[in-house]
Amino acid sequence: GESVGLHLPTLSVQEGDNSIINCAYSNSASDYFIWYKQESGKGPQFIIDIRSNMDKRQGQRVTVLLNKTVKHLSLQIAATQPGDSAVYFCAEMSLGSNYKLTFGKGTLLTVNP
Amino acid sequence: SAVISQKPSRDICQRGTSLTIQCQVDSQVTMMFWYRQQPGQSLTLIATANQGSEATYESGFVIDKFPISRPNLTFSTLTVSNMSPEDSSIYLCSVRARKGEKLFFGSGTQLSVL
Repeated sequence: GESVGLHLPTLSVQEGDNSIINCAYSNSASDYFIWYKQESGKGPQFIIDIRSNMDKRQGQRVTVLLNKTVKHLSLQIAATQPGDSAVYFCAEMSLGSNYKLTFGKGTLLTVNP
Repeated sequence: SAVISQKPSRDICQRGTSLTIQCQVDSQVTMMFWYRQQPGQSLTLIATANQGSEATYESGFVIDKFPISRPNLTFSTLTVSNMSPEDSSIYLCSVRARKGEKLFFGSGTQLSVL
């Protein structure tokens, strides 16, 4: 759902299920995207990135999909584990912008054992 | 990836005082940035720390309030000046390593202003 004020979108899944976290980005000139994971009390941790000349990139248990037509990014986590519980942020950048990242609102993922 | 150390990890400060946050990287990096994360919110870029010259500030952030230093390729400081409770946030250092586009973050400084 949409975030209002201090409320983050939330996603609750069962352990072992696959998770899909979505992000709509705003700048059609953005050509590089990163997903970060932020656990409570910690800084954002790099998960995976993708350039705009790709529409899919896979890592270990994670896949990022990019749809430039509708300016949409998603992060898929396979076989979600309790350690995946965190806030996930997408971030966009134009590589000609001196590496200034614009962050999305974030999604709180809760994995139930 | 670069190892980024931020000090202090947290602090509680009085209104009207200033706090300087340090960011130390274990290797030379091309770019360093400072972000703010207000409670329950996403991250917002404050400024790009330029080595040997004045920082480049984003809209809504000014040097008098957030002076930044970057004396070399591995170290930067951010000062939060004349603090008010509205400055209570997490302040994060970010770096771009020498190769590639990836940007990494420190663990942040949790600041509370009373």
